Amino acid sequence: EPEVTQTPSHQVTQMGQEVILRCVPISNHLYFYWYRQILGQKVEFLVSFYNNEISEKSEIFDDQFSVERPDGSNFTLKIRSTKLEDSAMYFCASSDRGFDQPQHFGDGTRLSIL
Amino acid sequence: QKEVEQDPGPLSVPEGAIVSLNCTYSNSAFQYFMWYRQYSRKGPELLMYTYSSGNKEDGRFTAQVDKSSKYISLFIRDSQPSDSATYLCAMSDAGGTSYGKLTFGQGTILTVHP
Repeated sequence: EPEVTQTPSHQVTQMGQEVILRCVPISNHLYFYWYRQILGQKVEFLVSFYNNEISEKSEIFDDQFSVERPDGSNFTLKIRSTKLEDSAMYFCASSDRGFDQPQHFGDGTRLSIL
Repeated sequence: QKEVEQDPGPLSVPEGAIVSLNCTYSNSAFQYFMWYRQYSRKGPELLMYTYSSGNKEDGRFTAQVDKSSKYISLFIRDSQPSDSATYLCAMSDAGGTSYGKLTFGQGTILTVHP
């Protein structure tokens, strides 16, 4: 069964450093998303992306965050200057034919900011 | 009022029991409703996806949506120890004002004991 893969599974970074989280969505999917889950809290939407553009972003997704599809298979989330409160699980998801289609999630990257 | 409310449990049932999981929501624009299962240290796994009101059945799982009451349910029949996980409800109004943003409940922790 096709799946979304995320790397690394765990990233430890010093506060103030830049971090890039990587995702390989399901191969024929065209719509991409990032979510985060702080320990003990709900899964929260960060951003949706289609046709090389951000379609929607949440209040969390400020100027420190950016997304990119650098090639035909990868989808990345960059945090420019990490803060302690960025520590969370970050999930990538994708859907095939539209924003109204089911989203399939990867197993996440656990980001720990020291 | 929270946009999506879900009783976090924990819920503990014997093997073979029927499990009922529920979410209520306040945003009447939500049209797409999902249930995800999340095992420890894994990403959300899509179980059920429904549009608008009605019932949908898939094996031991039945999803119900009552838009008039803003209430959704997931029933698990003949529950198994392997069903022990956190169950997340999620919903969106994709095609309305949203471009794929899923709004999640808190998640219900379910344990099925042999």
